[in-house]
Amino acid sequence: RKEVEQDPGPFNVPEGATVAFNCTYSNSASQSFFWYRQDCRKEPKLLMSVYSSGNEDGRFTAQLNRASQYISLLIRDSKLSDSATYLCVVNKGDTGRRALTFGSGTRLQVQP
Amino acid sequence: GAGVSQSPSNKVTEKGKDVELRCDPISGHTALYWYRQSLGQGLEFLIYFQGNSAPDKSGLPSDRFSAERTGGSVSTLTIQRTQQEDSAVYLCASSLAGFMPEQYFGPGTRLTVT
Repeated sequence: RKEVEQDPGPFNVPEGATVAFNCTYSNSASQSFFWYRQDCRKEPKLLMSVYSSGNEDGRFTAQLNRASQYISLLIRDSKLSDSATYLCVVNKGDTGRRALTFGSGTRLQVQP
Repeated sequence: GAGVSQSPSNKVTEKGKDVELRCDPISGHTALYWYRQSLGQGLEFLIYFQGNSAPDKSGLPSDRFSAERTGGSVSTLTIQRTQQEDSAVYLCASSLAGFMPEQYFGPGTRLTVT
């Protein structure tokens, strides 16, 4: 089982739609959670951190469910520029392993 | 200001040759990470440097892979006796201190082993 699992998609949605991605992680000791965005053939960039109480940044809302070990990202009023791959990222929190564990990503294609 | 830079941007090499990939982190960033990304796959952690501490090498896939970080700044990832399965994009990232959420990635080196 992968440490971080995501539906690869693609999710094809029209402009203005609301779309949600889920991600599950296997290590219950994981401490920090993030969503990164990666455009085609570009490097990943941090989109937002995910806090236990849930957090919102403009059209983007992130939620964390520790009991079920999943993370979600909701995008409202999708724009063409939202088309990208969204990477779910987890810090396992193990001592000595301080880098991030990335999911394989969910591809979003917003269509006009 | 300058971001993370990597060189070369593309490298084609023959199976069995050694390659060196370079990363220049953002000035002042004490943490440096190497990842690789195969086509259509997620990022795979390779190695992490933090200040003067011993690096976390837990992600290196074999002893053909090694990395150094000189003077707490520039890092070199070396792959000896390259194999076709080493073909991937090798990404370097840096962050301010210890573990910080925002890792700034370089543009990557696309390695193709023929």
